[in-house]
Amino acid sequence: NAGVTQTPKFRVLKTGQSMTLLCAQDMNHEYMYWYRQDPGMGLRLIHYSVGEGTTAKGEVPDGYNVSRLKKQNFLLGLESAAPSQTSVYFCASSQPEDGYYGYTFGSGTRLTVV
Amino acid sequence: AQSVTQLGSHVSVSEGALVLLRCNYSSSVPPYLFWYVQYPNQGLQLLLKYTSAATLVKGINGFEAEFKKSETSFHLTKPSAHMSDAAEYFCAVSWPGRLAFGKGNQVVVIP
Repeated sequence: NAGVTQTPKFRVLKTGQSMTLLCAQDMNHEYMYWYRQDPGMGLRLIHYSVGEGTTAKGEVPDGYNVSRLKKQNFLLGLESAAPSQTSVYFCASSQPEDGYYGYTFGSGTRLTVV
Repeated sequence: AQSVTQLGSHVSVSEGALVLLRCNYSSSVPPYLFWYVQYPNQGLQLLLKYTSAATLVKGINGFEAEFKKSETSFHLTKPSAHMSDAAEYFCAVSWPGRLAFGKGNQVVVIP
């Protein structure tokens, strides 16, 4: 089925460990996003990309890095995980006319940092 | 920057009663507005969207929302709540390259 696929779905990290979350979309969307969801905070934008090879900071970028080497993939990296990064991470994609067509979200990655 | 405000993090409603979730937006240009629903341990599902075609927007599961420019509002309603409506609901505003969410309303349906 067409859509946005996130891997892994669950992960437990120890403080200081690193990891990469993978987001893949097969809709040829130009724009891709990483959000984190925390109770009572809604979804907050971490980083986003408006095309292959481009990335930009969102609302809460500290402690994260991203790469968009291929149009269909958007990677989110944590170089040194901290307990404050315990969250549910969502990836999304859209087209430039995104206001009209809307966004497609992945099913999320639940990350716990201990 | 565009933003949305949702008041009341938790909303309790009796089964069969009206569901009303309020959303006010701040936008310097005509906005695109969305309501999303999230069921426990699941991702986000689009309920409905406003794209300037009509001010009253009908979505899935019997929900609808009305865009009121004079009030900068996009409130979500459902005439009769069902137990299956228990979920978290997010209002969002979109502009090119960005989608900003409100903090969400956790809806509890009381039998």
